[in-house]
Amino acid sequence: AQKITQTQPGMFVQEKEAVTLDCTYDTSDPSYGLFWYKQPSSGEMIFLIYQGSYDQQNATEGRYSLNFQKARKSANLVISASQLGDSAMYFCAMRSNAGNNRKLIWGLGTSLAVNP
Amino acid sequence: EAQVTQNPRYLITVTGKKLTVTCSQNMNHEYMSWYRQDPGLGLRQIYYSMNVEVTDKGDVPEGYKVSRKEKRNFPLILESPSPNQTSLYFCASSFRPRYEQYFGPGTRLTVT
Repeated sequence: AQKITQTQPGMFVQEKEAVTLDCTYDTSDPSYGLFWYKQPSSGEMIFLIYQGSYDQQNATEGRYSLNFQKARKSANLVISASQLGDSAMYFCAMRSNAGNNRKLIWGLGTSLAVNP
Repeated sequence: EAQVTQNPRYLITVTGKKLTVTCSQNMNHEYMSWYRQDPGLGLRQIYYSMNVEVTDKGDVPEGYKVSRKEKRNFPLILESPSPNQTSLYFCASSFRPRYEQYFGPGTRLTVT
């Protein structure tokens, strides 16, 4: 069965420091995608970054990068130079490319607090 | 501006009173989906649609209906809401299923 595990319910980081949010996944499909979303206290779901299972390089989007270790089935999100506005819930999600439904399977999230 | 809109954003209703949550996207996306978010359970898919007139069940479809008569709209219908449908609902869309999904702002539903 496909599953996403985020083992850190809550994290703290000092402003301007880097932080890593952990995500491990389980799937038997050879082709899949991994996503990170941010959910601020206002509730909306904001797409951050995507990594395909066949991508050779780790994905980067501005201050966000994804540390993809396929053999270990991990897809950790690294946020560099944290800002106060980064305080939010962060969700890791996986989508299998098999079959018609491309639903996202979600982890339970990590709450990040950035301290001034 | 490219966006997914949902209405209403907040709704308090009573058991059994039919309601519809609308979802519309202006990005010409083929794939649309509804999720519900509950504490400790994360986000779970309710229904999805691959294109106009093509819909299918997700993981938790009981008590919900959807339709896709136009590409841009994907309403979620609760024919007889019950308290266990109290949740935060998200509509999402993507160009093709394999691309990232863009989410609406969410609809917070309370059924008393």
